[in-house]
Amino acid sequence: DAGVIQSPRHEVTEMGQEVTLRCKPISGHDYLFWYRQTMMRGLELLIYFNNNVPIDDSGMPEDRFSAKMPNASFSTLKIQPSEPRDSAVYFCASTPDRGSGNTIYFGEGSWLTVV
Amino acid sequence: AQKVTQAQTEISVVEKEDVTLDCVYETRDTTYYLFWYKQPPSGELVFLIRRNSFDEQNEISGRYSWNFQKSTSSFNFTITASQVVDSAVYFCALSGPQSGGYQKVTFGTGTKLQVIP
Repeated sequence: DAGVIQSPRHEVTEMGQEVTLRCKPISGHDYLFWYRQTMMRGLELLIYFNNNVPIDDSGMPEDRFSAKMPNASFSTLKIQPSEPRDSAVYFCASTPDRGSGNTIYFGEGSWLTVV
Repeated sequence: AQKVTQAQTEISVVEKEDVTLDCVYETRDTTYYLFWYKQPPSGELVFLIRRNSFDEQNEISGRYSWNFQKSTSSFNFTITASQVVDSAVYFCALSGPQSGGYQKVTFGTGTKLQVIP
């Protein structure tokens, strides 16, 4: 089975520009997560969806960040406008809904640099 | 609140040495899950193991072994006869109802392991 697929793998953009990160979860997985990894803060959960519905967005840093999941096989994380402090690796992950303690499977990450 | 502590920031070992990565966790949940993930230099996060709080049996998978001690809230990871390919950052993680649901996984800060040839 294909894993979690993210695009782009690398993005360099100028401050103020809009950034859109894309994710295709593993087929059949009901939960989708967006994480951010930085040296300072480690791995942070930004938002997660269950059956395409956002469940918890308490980790989204500010209004510049938004995430959508229009269908079971696609999600986007958008930053508008981007700032240099948004530079990080953004991971998408998914897990099936089979009760508690399911393993979360991560994509390869989108490496974002905002200059 | 739930917390995962990986006190070792960086460890260097010479190839073929054994190495143990420590993980200590805090939770008020009686049912919870513990995980280890590996992040090699290429950057992806690779799942290694999941353990639930009711299963204290140690597990061995090839050169990898995990020691779960509920009494000390620890879930340590040992690599036997380390190899250069083991060089990576290793994350311990925890999930349980207290964190807001089993889907919300709390990660430690990671231990960077460097295996020197």
